[in-house]
Amino acid sequence: EADIYQTPRYLVIGTGKKITLECSQTMGHDKMYWYQQDPGMELHLIHYSYGVNSTEKGDLSSESTVSRIRTEHFPLTLESARPSHTSQYLCASSEAGGQEGYNEQFFGPGTRLTVL
Amino acid sequence: KQEVTQIPAALSVPEGENLVLNCSFTDSAIYNLQWFRQDPGKGLTSLLLIQSSQREQTSGRLNASLDKSSGRSTLYIAASQPGDSATYLCAVVPGGYQKVTFGTGTKLQVIP
Repeated sequence: EADIYQTPRYLVIGTGKKITLECSQTMGHDKMYWYQQDPGMELHLIHYSYGVNSTEKGDLSSESTVSRIRTEHFPLTLESARPSHTSQYLCASSEAGGQEGYNEQFFGPGTRLTVL
Repeated sequence: KQEVTQIPAALSVPEGENLVLNCSFTDSAIYNLQWFRQDPGKGLTSLLLIQSSQREQTSGRLNASLDKSSGRSTLYIAASQPGDSATYLCAVVPGGYQKVTFGTGTKLQVIP
């Protein structure tokens, strides 16, 4: 069973607030990812990391930032939340290596963010 | 740019029926394909991963096949149960350490 956690599960916040979405995994995975998913839409990769001190932007432009100071922890921060940031944010992790650099991804339960 | 399509977008079947979910992709130069299940308001649960050298994978009542040349994958669910109700997503993995592309999903409802 995958051990990847996200907090909070639900967050309703006003415009202009700074927020941090937490993601932690206990599997020792080097790779971690943040996806954004609007209702009924596909997942879009917004950030990923190959390991400590590694962060990269994904396919979808995002005003959020991430950090990877510890292997197990990959928080996502929005400096000033706006209604356009309302979405579900999913964190995932996977082992490094694998064929062509891909190993099975394990997902957290997600954070549903609503910005009023 | 890789595009991944899942048809139908929604499917409702009576309990016990066998069913097939489809996933199509435009660029056949993929390496792996992964099927996920997503329950409402929750994250994704990995179901099956078909790697480059494989054409299908099986787990319990689930069987997934991959035909790269035609740009298609199917997920077969045997003897469906109400607990199978969820959204099923396929994810296409290109080679060369590129990023994964997800489909929009098929929302399945199994009626008791």
